[in-house]
Amino acid sequence: DADVTQTPRNRITKTGKRIMLECSQTKGHDRMYWYRQDPGLGLRLIYYSFDVKDINKGEISDGYSVSRQAQAKFSLSLESAIPNQTALYFCATSDPGTEGGYTFGSGTRLTVV
Amino acid sequence: EDQVTQSPEALRLQEGESSSLNCSYTVSGLRGLFWYRQDPGKGPEFLFTLYSAGEEKEKERLKATLTKKESFLHITAPKPEDSATYLCAVQAPGAGSYQLTFGKGTKLSVIP
Repeated sequence: DADVTQTPRNRITKTGKRIMLECSQTKGHDRMYWYRQDPGLGLRLIYYSFDVKDINKGEISDGYSVSRQAQAKFSLSLESAIPNQTALYFCATSDPGTEGGYTFGSGTRLTVV
Repeated sequence: EDQVTQSPEALRLQEGESSSLNCSYTVSGLRGLFWYRQDPGKGPEFLFTLYSAGEEKEKERLKATLTKKESFLHITAPKPEDSATYLCAVQAPGAGSYQLTFGKGTKLSVIP
């Protein structure tokens, strides 16, 4: 099993719909992150969580919300999807005690029509 | 504001033709500089972490180096399987100090 699992892998949704992207990790790390990736813009941080009770906004949090249900689970919601939220979304986890930085999931490709 | 700039945006090499990718950064108090490889439709995969100027790390055909202003990823005698996008990221102290700030990446294509 992958260390970081994202579901769904692909999703097409309509403008105005609420959608949730889910992430679970088996690394046992406290820190989890949501990034979006757009062509030509690179990876941008949406939200991050340093433990279950700690949620922080990142660079581009408008239009998104998150929930940290457990150490291993961190979900991202789009309250009312819009076409410019079409992107590749990545969840990641990290442990400050390790040298490897982040471990990323395989991503969710979201299309808003 | 922390900034990371990668160049070139894209690079085409013949198999066996060595070259370097550049990552220049401006950050107050670098905690670490990371290199990742990303294949199409997949998440970034960790390659190296560098912590201080002068540090070097190697893995197969890849060698990463770090100065006070930039990092280089040297690719020696590349093979087609080295084709990917290479991402550079920095980590700095301060609020949210374990966040990574990413560059936009260099897309490497190695032609047989």
